[in-house]
Amino acid sequence: IAGITQAPTSQILAAGRRMTLRCTQDMRHNAMYWYRQDLGLGLRLIHYSNTAGTTGKGEVPDGYSVSRANTDDFPLTLASAVPSQTSVYFCASSPEGNQPQHFGDGTRLSIL
Amino acid sequence: AQSVTQLGSHVSVSEGALVLLRCNYSSSVPPYLFWYVQYPNQGLQLLLKYTTGATLVKGINGFEAEFKKSETSFHLTKPSAHMSDAAEYFCAVSSYSSASKIIFGSGTRLSIRP
Repeated sequence: IAGITQAPTSQILAAGRRMTLRCTQDMRHNAMYWYRQDLGLGLRLIHYSNTAGTTGKGEVPDGYSVSRANTDDFPLTLASAVPSQTSVYFCASSPEGNQPQHFGDGTRLSIL
Repeated sequence: AQSVTQLGSHVSVSEGALVLLRCNYSSSVPPYLFWYVQYPNQGLQLLLKYTTGATLVKGINGFEAEFKKSETSFHLTKPSAHMSDAAEYFCAVSSYSSASKIIFGSGTRLSIRP
């Protein structure tokens, strides 16, 4: 079934550790996104990529980095996790930036 | 710049009653508008979208929304609520520019009373 796969589904992590959240899509979409979802704050864009080889900063990029080496993969890295990064992280993709996005099922991350 | 405001973080209706979730947008260019639904422990799913053409758009699960330019609104409705409609609903806006990103509202949680 075509779609977006996120891994892991959940993770508990000690503060200060490095963590990479994986995202893979098989729809050959150009654009990909990472959001965090926190109660009362809705979805906030962390980073995005309009096409392979390019990335951009969203609303809340600090403490996170991304890469887009190919069309399918868009990993999100927390270089040194802090408790405020406890959240549910969603990866999404779309054919182009202004078109409907397809979402993965999320990664629930807890930083202790 | 674009923005979207969802009025009411939580809406509760009785089963069989009308569902109305409110969304107002701000955009300096003709908007593309979307409604997404999120069920517990899942990602967002597209309910419906407006880009151009007919201002009343129909989506999945009996939902529809009407684009009203004069009111800068894109409210979501369903004539008769089902228990399975309980979820979080997000309104979103973008524009015709392919470089435009989708901006999401803060969401409205819909509860259905038996």
